[in-house]
Amino acid sequence: DAGITQSPRHKVTETGTPVTLRCHQTENHRYMYWYRQDPGHGLRLIHYSYGVKDTDKGEVSDGYSVSRSKTEDFLLTLESATSSQTSVYFCAISENTGELFFGEGSRLTVL
Amino acid sequence: GESVGLHLPTLSVQEGDNSIINCAYSNSASDYFIWYKQESGKGPQFIIDIRSNMDKRQGQRVTVLLNKTVKHLSLQIAATQPGDSAVYFCAEGEGGSYIPTFGRGTSLIVHP
Repeated sequence: DAGITQSPRHKVTETGTPVTLRCHQTENHRYMYWYRQDPGHGLRLIHYSYGVKDTDKGEVSDGYSVSRSKTEDFLLTLESATSSQTSVYFCAISENTGELFFGEGSRLTVL
Repeated sequence: GESVGLHLPTLSVQEGDNSIINCAYSNSASDYFIWYKQESGKGPQFIIDIRSNMDKRQGQRVTVLLNKTVKHLSLQIAATQPGDSAVYFCAEGEGGSYIPTFGRGTSLIVHP
């Protein structure tokens, strides 16, 4: 399995609180991604990174920010969590076109 | 917890049968296609890919067929086993793009 670790794996928080999810890789892959997965919607891209300090928005980026200060770490931050952000979040990494390796997911519940 | 399989197209088969999972893609410029398998509670895993200059590719018990004329992709699983029960996603992308587009997925249920 590709060396991808997501933390925390489960989190329950309240509306309005900040939340940061961490993705750590040991593969030295250039590309890193954050997706959310909701029933009926499949995988939707939130943000991605194509290098240290190089990030861009995906299709559902509103309410989320990211940072990548090191090759191995990609952080996803919800500045003020809302109930609509209750979801399962997946980090993925890639070096070759389109072939993504996914982490095990982080289940976030916003009450 | 809530299953990612809810609200998805579902294919139910008996153990030992062959399964065919279909995917329609939208971008005629896509030149790579990938199938992922997602087991309950886990992240998607790469199964097999195919480039647009091919119409068939085989792996271990799996075959992917590509019909560019009708923009259709299929995944065939031979001698389906209970361990094949999962949600299967197709993904497409254009050459040079590292941002594949994922389909909604199909839930495969294999009955012993």
